[in-house]
Amino acid sequence: DTEVTQTPKHLVMGMTNKKSLKCEQHMGHRAMYWYKQKAKKPPELMFVYSYEKLSINESVPSRFSPECPNSSLLNLHLHALQPEDSALYLCASSPTEGQVKLAKNIQYFGAGTRLSVL
Amino acid sequence: SQELEQSPQSLIVQEGKNLTINCTSSKTLYGLYWYKQKYGEGLIFLMMLQKGGEEKSHEKITAKLDEKKQQSSLHITASQPSHAGIYLCGADIKWKSSGDKLTFGTGTRLAVRP
Repeated sequence: DTEVTQTPKHLVMGMTNKKSLKCEQHMGHRAMYWYKQKAKKPPELMFVYSYEKLSINESVPSRFSPECPNSSLLNLHLHALQPEDSALYLCASSPTEGQVKLAKNIQYFGAGTRLSVL
Repeated sequence: SQELEQSPQSLIVQEGKNLTINCTSSKTLYGLYWYKQKYGEGLIFLMMLQKGGEEKSHEKITAKLDEKKQQSSLHITASQPSHAGIYLCGADIKWKSSGDKLTFGTGTRLAVRP
């Protein structure tokens, strides 16, 4: 089972709203990731959590706030977003974080949350 | 600058035809991944290549990593409508001085005509 579950599937929010995206995996993976994907572009890394600690922040604006409450859950809290933040947000997990060239670090992705900011 | 270039950008083939997608890097590739993405959905892991000259197959899809490890190709035999989607290669790009980051190629959009 390589399932990563993301909720909600779709989200529409105003620029003053506060919302959260949720990601869950039960594969025992200790690394979890948030990616942002704009239309017709490849996914771009936003955050990496390794053993529930923030490992990588790709200079993401503070209006995006990640949280990893436990090893199975990853949240992305959204506040005061801009229309240009509209995108597909993808969550991924891997057994560990580290050298991408190692098979043990293969990332498995969720179906994504389609976010529209009005 | 884009580190991983895919070609072609888009492809339309008749069902039953073979096709090849290429992924070219300006650097030596380590841990080259192939993913498939249905439009607006998540990425599905297809396969991973680690060594120059390595070749892997899954059902009708074969991927190779060339000897110099700067290019990978994905070949689909006897394409079917179910093969339609966006194919993305991914590879590790050193992130600052520690850790690795999975960076994706530009993507290839495949449509298969019944």
